[in-house]
Order: sequence, then C-alpha cells, then structure tokens
Amino acid sequence: DAGITQSPRHKVTETGTPVTLRCHQTENHRYMYWYRQDPGHGLRLIHYSYGVKDTDKGEVSDGYSVSRSKTEDFLLTLESATSSQTSVYFCAIRDGQGVLGYTFGSGTRLTVV
Amino acid sequence: GESVGLHLPTLSVQEGDNSIINCAYSNSASDYFIWYKQESGKGPQFIIDIRSNMDKRQGQRVTVLLNKTVKHLSLQIAATQPGDSAVYFCAEKSGANSKLTFGKGITLSVRP
Repeated sequence: DAGITQSPRHKVTETGTPVTLRCHQTENHRYMYWYRQDPGHGLRLIHYSYGVKDTDKGEVSDGYSVSRSKTEDFLLTLESATSSQTSVYFCAIRDGQGVLGYTFGSGTRLTVV
Repeated sequence: GESVGLHLPTLSVQEGDNSIINCAYSNSASDYFIWYKQESGKGPQFIIDIRSNMDKRQGQRVTVLLNKTVKHLSLQIAATQPGDSAVYFCAEKSGANSKLTFGKGITLSVRP
C-alpha cells in the first residue's frame, strides 16, 4: 500500500506478554488510526491520532495504548496480551482519498496463545 | 497482507450482471459516506464516497446511492467481473475528528 507500512506482518505471542505493533507512513499525514478486524464485527476503531503526541480512544480501547512521538510513526501496544486480542490489526492514514477517505496498511495478524 | 475469515452475508452474482450491495447506517447526523473493498489478504481499499447533500454519485463502473430518509446506502457495480469478488464495507463519518465507523461488510462472489 502506497505510503503506509505495518510491522510485523505476523506475530504469535504468549498471554501476558507485551506486544508493540508499528505503523509507518512516508507522506506526513496528520491523522492516523488503529483498527482491529474480527469475524462478525468488521473494523472497529481502537485508537487514533490527530498529531504528534495527540491521541484519543476509539470504541475498543481497553487493553491498548498508543504513542506518536513523530509524525511518521504510530505505535500500538498491548501491555499484557490476552487471547481476546487475537485479531488482524490495520493501521490507516487519512490521506484524503475522495474527501476524507483513508488508506489502509496491509495488516498484522496477531495470535495470542 | 491479511484478511479475516468473516462470517458475512454473501451476494452471489453472475459475471457480467450488475451488482447491488446495500448498507443501512445508524447515525442520522452522519454527513459523509464511503464504500471500501477488501480483497483476500489485503487491507480495505477506497472505492467511492458521497456527501450527505448528494443522493447519487458515479465513478468508473460504480454508483453510490444515498437515501437519507431511511438511512440507506447502496453500491451498484455495473458488468460485474471476477476481480470484483471481495468483501465490501460501507463507512460513515461521525463524531469529532472525522472518524469513520464501518459496517460489518458483505461478501460479493462472482460466478463465471
């Protein structure tokens, strides 16, 4: 996906361990978002950022924290991973496709065992 | 890339036919709507958008219709092709900071 990369692409971790997912953009966009995608729930917003050090919670923020110390990177941290956090995680940037559209990364599949 | 084995409603259409994918949105105050397409193993991709002051917008082979009275959005795909097989999501803009809320998605399956 142009201008946005997620890492890692896959991760398996044990319950109770901390995990950090990274989203990197090359286009200097102000808004960045973290979503999770699960069967039956579609895409649900975890946290978002509207600038460096400016973040806010989404609808499913419990158990997650984020940081944005520079424009290009938005980090999602699971402080103590649980099995309910097994999911596919997508980062998005608001790059104005259409008027207010997003471009999504390719996703990270996280499995908590 | 990644995708999720979503247990979603499925629309099956014959190649070459027109497809209509429907979405009911929840917030009468939403003023902007987008359709996304998600192919297997990839993130969602922007297809077309529409503002609430419009009731129809056309793109290349796609048309979005908005009926605010019944809070209904539809995506029409003309001459559906095998490459159109994917999961389709509608999204509405609501709340501060232009956050998008996504529907649960519909799987479009194109029969050859």
